[in-house]
Amino acid sequence: DVKVTQSSRYLVKRTGEKVFLECVQDMDHENMFWYRQDPGLGLRLIYFSYDVKMKEKGDIPEGYSVSREKKERFSLILESASTNQTSMYLCASSDSAGISGFETQYFGPGTRLLVL
Amino acid sequence: AQKITQTQPGMFVQEKEAVTLDCTYDTSDQSYGLFWYKQPSSGEMIFLIYQGSYDEQNATEGRYSLNFQKARKSANLVISASQLGDSAMYFCAIEDYGGATNKLIFGTGTLLAVQP
Repeated sequence: DVKVTQSSRYLVKRTGEKVFLECVQDMDHENMFWYRQDPGLGLRLIYFSYDVKMKEKGDIPEGYSVSREKKERFSLILESASTNQTSMYLCASSDSAGISGFETQYFGPGTRLLVL
Repeated sequence: AQKITQTQPGMFVQEKEAVTLDCTYDTSDQSYGLFWYKQPSSGEMIFLIYQGSYDEQNATEGRYSLNFQKARKSANLVISASQLGDSAMYFCAIEDYGGATNKLIFGTGTLLAVQP
């Protein structure tokens, strides 16, 4: 069964702290993604990775960085957390389109981050 | 650039009735894919159904079907025989091709409440 896990369901941090959000997938997927979800805005892509040590910026990368040292793990880093980064963070993974002809993204349960 | 529009922020439906969730899209690509995801209160995004732009038939998955009207650029989700467990946020998304992998562009979502 497909499994994407995120290190924390809820996280409370102070402004200026360095924050690490971890995501692990056990499906040997090539691609991994980080989104943030805010009411009325849907999901917005922060960063994604298509291979180990490879990353690309999404639509809203400012204030974030990522790390992918191993295929199964993709970390989102908030170098200096700010209150406007309070949000729900969702990780996803996908593999190259196979027989189905399309790439389904599988999501983790999300991390609700509150920055005070 | 691809764009998804979901004009219904929220909807009510009676249990056992059918409901249609609207989704319109904008793309200049000739080939594209459309996804619907469900997000229950637990937070995890669950893949429901996929429609390829060249698929001749509307996609169906159990109680979920997609009313795909290519000329109108709409891909509405139809849930038949609604159940209480269908109460959730529903997101429509379009594939954004190009680069190292396919990304998803999400709409703002529709919150569905199924009433007993």
